[in-house]
Amino acid sequence: DAGVIQSPRHEVTEMGQEVTLRCKPISGHNSLFWYRQTMMRGLELLIYFNNNVPIDDSGMPEDRFSAKMPNASFSTLKIQPSEPRDSAVYFCASSLKGRAEAFFGQGTRLTVV
Amino acid sequence: GNSVTQMEGPVTLSEEAFLTINCTYTATGYPSLFWYVQYPGEGLQLLLKATKADDKGSNKGFEATYRKETTSFHLEKGSVQVSDSAVYFCALGYGNKLVFGAGTILRVKS
Repeated sequence: DAGVIQSPRHEVTEMGQEVTLRCKPISGHNSLFWYRQTMMRGLELLIYFNNNVPIDDSGMPEDRFSAKMPNASFSTLKIQPSEPRDSAVYFCASSLKGRAEAFFGQGTRLTVV
Repeated sequence: GNSVTQMEGPVTLSEEAFLTINCTYTATGYPSLFWYVQYPGEGLQLLLKATKADDKGSNKGFEATYRKETTSFHLEKGSVQVSDSAVYFCALGYGNKLVFGAGTILRVKS
């Protein structure tokens, strides 16, 4: 199994630029999660999808953040415009629907300067 | 609400020492409980899990028992290795969502 695949692994961008993070879940998994990890706040759930439909986006910090899942094998998390406080590691995870056991990607380390 | 509390780190041990990382939870209903491990520069990996009271999860020498009476899921290992140095997260699962603790850094020195 390839596992959850995220790209890019590292992203450095200037404040104000648009950033798009990508995720390919494990084949057959129908729940997908986006998390953000920082030293100050730990792991935060931003949004999750069931069967490509956003179920809970209450963790999305503000309107600058948006996420889409156009099909079962691809999701994006977009930040527009980016700010230095968005610097963090962003993880994508997937699971079988109804199962809490999630499998994580390697993460994208985002640095906004 | 649902929450997880872990002992604060970092925990520093010598190789072959006994490890305990405490984890307690607050939950409605009957959650599943998990330990995840994060090695430097990597994502979280499931280490072990337990789905009901009195279940014991185990993997790679680590184990934890789901104690409903004390709402705990403490992680233990009899003899740690330098390669066990990582961040350990306790989590509870309800529905298909996970609630994580803050994580505990473990450092094992040779």
